[in-house]
Amino acid sequence: SQTIHQWPATLVQPVGSPLSLECTVEGTSNPNLYWYRQAAGRGLQLLFYSVGIGQISSEVPQNLSASRPQDRQFILSSKKLLLSDSGFYLCAWSEVRGEQFFGPGTRLTVL
Amino acid sequence: QKEVEQDPGPLSVPEGAIVSLNCTYSNSAFQYFMWYRQYSRKGPELLMYTYSSGNKEDGRFTAQVDKSSKYISLFIRDSQPSDSATYLCAMSVNSGYALNFGKGTSLLVTP
Repeated sequence: SQTIHQWPATLVQPVGSPLSLECTVEGTSNPNLYWYRQAAGRGLQLLFYSVGIGQISSEVPQNLSASRPQDRQFILSSKKLLLSDSGFYLCAWSEVRGEQFFGPGTRLTVL
Repeated sequence: QKEVEQDPGPLSVPEGAIVSLNCTYSNSAFQYFMWYRQYSRKGPELLMYTYSSGNKEDGRFTAQVDKSSKYISLFIRDSQPSDSATYLCAMSVNSGYALNFGKGTSLLVTP
């Protein structure tokens, strides 16, 4: 069966510091991968999605970036965090066609 | 107008009640409709996945889609305290594409 992992589970970072969140999927090949952010009262917002290694589409212009160095690895990064980057970051995967399944999430607090 | 509208609640019901959760949407191109359950500080868990109009039943859960009215529903029969969570509707134009989420409805089932 397929499993999706995210780490760290929680993170507290100062404004202006860098960020790296990692997501890995097991039990499938060539999945579509997604990064979402869930902010209080605002629902889930798609940040990036990827259909293959090195292929990243950005949905929202911001100071975040994503990379997919391996088939089942998806990384969310920032060079300098803003207060507004605080939120619950969720990674999801799907087959080329099909349902999306979410990971456990990373709760990021920027102080 | 947001593409997907969902009443945030909270909705409080006694154990054993039938729960009705709803979303409306504006984009007539949506074809795939999903319901997720999210416990506090956890990632969303897929409950139901449907294509186009019609009904789908899975245990105590029934999903209904009315594309002519741009209205989807999730019914929970014999509700249990363990059903207390936030329920998110989501939809997409194509399978395997980015999802458009409602903000979620908070449900509390009291013993």
